[in-house]
Amino acid sequence: EVQLVESGGGLIKPGGSLRLSCVVSGFSFTDAWMSWVRQAPGKGLEWVGRVKSKTHGGTTDYAAPVRGRFTISREDSKNTVYLQMDSLKTEDTAVYYCTRTAGSFDYWGQGTVVTVSS
Amino acid sequence: DIVMTQSPDSLAVSLGERATINCKSSQSVFYSSNNENYLAWYQQKPGQPPKLLIYWASTRQVGVPDRFSGSGSGTDFTLTINGLLAEDAALYYCQQYYSIPWTFGQGTKVEIK
Repeated sequence: EVQLVESGGGLIKPGGSLRLSCVVSGFSFTDAWMSWVRQAPGKGLEWVGRVKSKTHGGTTDYAAPVRGRFTISREDSKNTVYLQMDSLKTEDTAVYYCTRTAGSFDYWGQGTVVTVSS
Repeated sequence: DIVMTQSPDSLAVSLGERATINCKSSQSVFYSSNNENYLAWYQQKPGQPPKLLIYWASTRQVGVPDRFSGSGSGTDFTLTINGLLAEDAALYYCQQYYSIPWTFGQGTKVEIK
């Protein structure tokens, strides 16, 4: 059974940092490209960024609103992908989903809630 | 960035009838080298993550009922739900994966009339 389990969300003040984790099971994590997608309260879906598999260079791409503030990394030995979020803004408040990426997003976690508020 | 625009924003359909959702991209998402449209459709119910329904514009994900179908090419796409069931009431999103940043439509809410 495929599982993606996010953790690390919470309430954080503007300007703060948070690191989200996503532990994966049920498919070959080493070969997978992974993305983070977020959804602000009552809003639509927004792609945040992606990390390729190590065999494809392990490189990352980001959406403009988070570029330079967010960093995606992976630890294949732990089947885990991370989202380091720095310089958080109130507009980063959202549910953050971890997804397996093949261009389309075929597997999703349940999400973790990040609230940025003073 | 490729802008994805869905229409309508919401629709109410009777049980057993057909629901049609349109998605238009601001530029073509067709890649001629492999003859594929880089377009996916998702369903999202309240409190749940999205679920992939369709990829490559018309290929159903494993386990998705065949009452869901996708069509279109280039910049204009359609998700059709034939024989609507109560469980199909949800939000539906299209998404392009032709170019970074990958982008979604704003969503279409399907309700039961």
